[in-house]
Amino acid sequence: KNQVEQSPQSLIILEGKNCTLQCNYTVSPFSNLRWYKQDTGRGPVSLTIMTFSENTKSNGRYTATLDADTKQSSLHITASQLSDSASYICVVSSTNTNAGKSTFGDGTTLTVKP
Amino acid sequence: GAGVSQTPSNKVTEKGKYVELRCDPISGHTALYWYRQSLGQGPEFLIYFQGTGAADDSGLPNDRFFAVRPEGSVSTLKIQRTERGDSAVYLCASSLNGGLGETQYFGPGTRLLVL
Repeated sequence: KNQVEQSPQSLIILEGKNCTLQCNYTVSPFSNLRWYKQDTGRGPVSLTIMTFSENTKSNGRYTATLDADTKQSSLHITASQLSDSASYICVVSSTNTNAGKSTFGDGTTLTVKP
Repeated sequence: GAGVSQTPSNKVTEKGKYVELRCDPISGHTALYWYRQSLGQGPEFLIYFQGTGAADDSGLPNDRFFAVRPEGSVSTLKIQRTERGDSAVYLCASSLNGGLGETQYFGPGTRLLVL
């Protein structure tokens, strides 16, 4: 069964600090992996998307990495800001199905405190 | 409109009632998705439309749930005989053509509470 596991479940950091969120998956055959940011009460917003051949992808202070061999991804947030407080969701798509049936993780809830 | 919109933003209903949730996708997007999200969990796929047709409705939990997209733009998710377990946030997303590599744009969701 395709699964996406994210860790930690929640994280609290001080403003200005860096943090790294983890995503392990068992989805096969692999198509792509996305990281979404979901603010409270809002829909998810795409941060990055990586295919099999991509090891890293940046979007401002967000950098995602992918190790397709170990089926692991990470999202690194640099110099955190209060507005980074949100849930970060890892989503893995398989070539076997449509984009909607991608496997979603349960997210990591990040709280940035002043 | 620049993004995906959903109405109502909140809906409170009583067990056994019928509800309709509306989604307005980004203009020109042929692919439309409905998801359900419970607190502390990621979105769960319900149904995928390509144009006017339901390309994949395998995520609908039972026959109380139904969705339509008659003109290939606006979609309505319909829930009959609501149950307390239906309480969740219902998210809609759209993408240009439904390709795996495309970005899905999500609406803000409809928060459904069944009393």
